[in-house]
Amino acid sequence: NAGVMQNPRHLVRRRGQEARLRCSPMKGHSHVYWYRQLPEEGLKFMVYLQKENIIDESGMPKERFSAEFPKEGPSILRIQQVVRGDSAAYFCASSPPGDSYEQYFGPGTRLTVT
Amino acid sequence: AQRVTQPEKLLSVFKGAPVELKCNYSYSGSPELFWYVQYSRQRLQLLLRHISRESIKGFTADLNKGETSFHLKKPFAQEEDSAMYYCALGSARQLTFGSGTQLTVLP
Repeated sequence: NAGVMQNPRHLVRRRGQEARLRCSPMKGHSHVYWYRQLPEEGLKFMVYLQKENIIDESGMPKERFSAEFPKEGPSILRIQQVVRGDSAAYFCASSPPGDSYEQYFGPGTRLTVT
Repeated sequence: AQRVTQPEKLLSVFKGAPVELKCNYSYSGSPELFWYVQYSRQRLQLLLRHISRESIKGFTADLNKGETSFHLKKPFAQEEDSAMYYCALGSARQLTFGSGTQLTVLP
């Protein structure tokens, strides 16, 4: 089991461009979580998804950010019209059915907005 | 709203010395508390959770509801314990993380 996969590991975007971050959960895991980590801070919850459903998006900024977890393929976190303040490390985690708190983390994507 | 506080950003101890990483939380309900660890160049991983009452790699953590604390302890630190440690609170299927403590165990 390769664990949670995220790509790309590093992403550089200019202000106004779109960023797409991908996450493939562990085999057998149907729950995906996205977190953002700003410098010197802890991970902040953004969104919790199951296949084809957004369960909790209370941590997502209201504009420019969206997430999906389609029936086939990885989960995608999409940031439109990126700004400098979006520069951060974005982590994806997955958990098995029935236990939301035993989360397995990916290596993260470091987004830099220039 | 829930909150997790780790007052120490950096903590250094000598090998063989006891170590305690502090964690305080605020939450109105009955909390589930966790410690996650990130070793150098590795992913964040679950170290222990309070409901399991296990000792993992010699670490223990006791939930103190009166003091709203969940401090992580180890009686004899090892160099391989050097890592970033995050305390986390689980509620409504979310994890709320503290800002982390970087532990360095000196030889």
